[in-house]
Amino acid sequence: DGGITQSPKYLFRKEGQNVTLSCEQNLNHDAMYWYRQDPGQGLRLIYYSQIVNDFQKGDIAEGYSVSREKKESFPLTVTSAQKNPTAFYLCASSPGTESFGYTFGSGTRLTVV
Amino acid sequence: AQSVTQPDIHITVSEGASLELRCNYSYGATPYLFWYVQSPGQGLQLLLKYFSGDTLVQGIKGFEAEFKRSQSSFNLRKPSVHWSDAAEYFCAVGPTGGFKTIFGAGTRLFVKA
Repeated sequence: DGGITQSPKYLFRKEGQNVTLSCEQNLNHDAMYWYRQDPGQGLRLIYYSQIVNDFQKGDIAEGYSVSREKKESFPLTVTSAQKNPTAFYLCASSPGTESFGYTFGSGTRLTVV
Repeated sequence: AQSVTQPDIHITVSEGASLELRCNYSYGATPYLFWYVQSPGQGLQLLLKYFSGDTLVQGIKGFEAEFKRSQSSFNLRKPSVHWSDAAEYFCAVGPTGGFKTIFGAGTRLFVKA
């Protein structure tokens, strides 16, 4: 079955460390997205990519970085510059525009210890 | 500015009772409108979407939503709620031809026996 795989499901990071969250899709979707979810705040867009080797900043890109070297993969790095990284991170994809809606992964919960 | 408002942070309904979750949006043109559902610790799943045409749209799991342009609303309804419907529900608006869907803050649904 096609879908989006996020790994790991839980991740613990020490302050000052960078950490990379994996997102892989086998839906042949062109567009991929990273959202951050905090209680009571809904989803906030971090980065998105419409095609391979291209990506755009979302509303809260500071302290994060991404790459899109393959159509199937859109990893997110949470850098030490992100002041409050503890959150639930969701990866999503869509065929080409948002008109189809998103397919989401099951998320990664990042905790800074 | 584009925005999505879900006025109810949480709602409690009895099993078997009807449900209506409210969503209001602010957008300059006719947007794409979506409802998603999220179980605890999971990603979001698309319930239904509206682009144009019939203002009453049917979705999965017995849900429906009605688009009312005059009220800038897209309320989600279900005639009879099941205990398994307990989850968080997100309304979202996406610009036509764009790549930045905006999500509401969510409404958590509790179902009592």
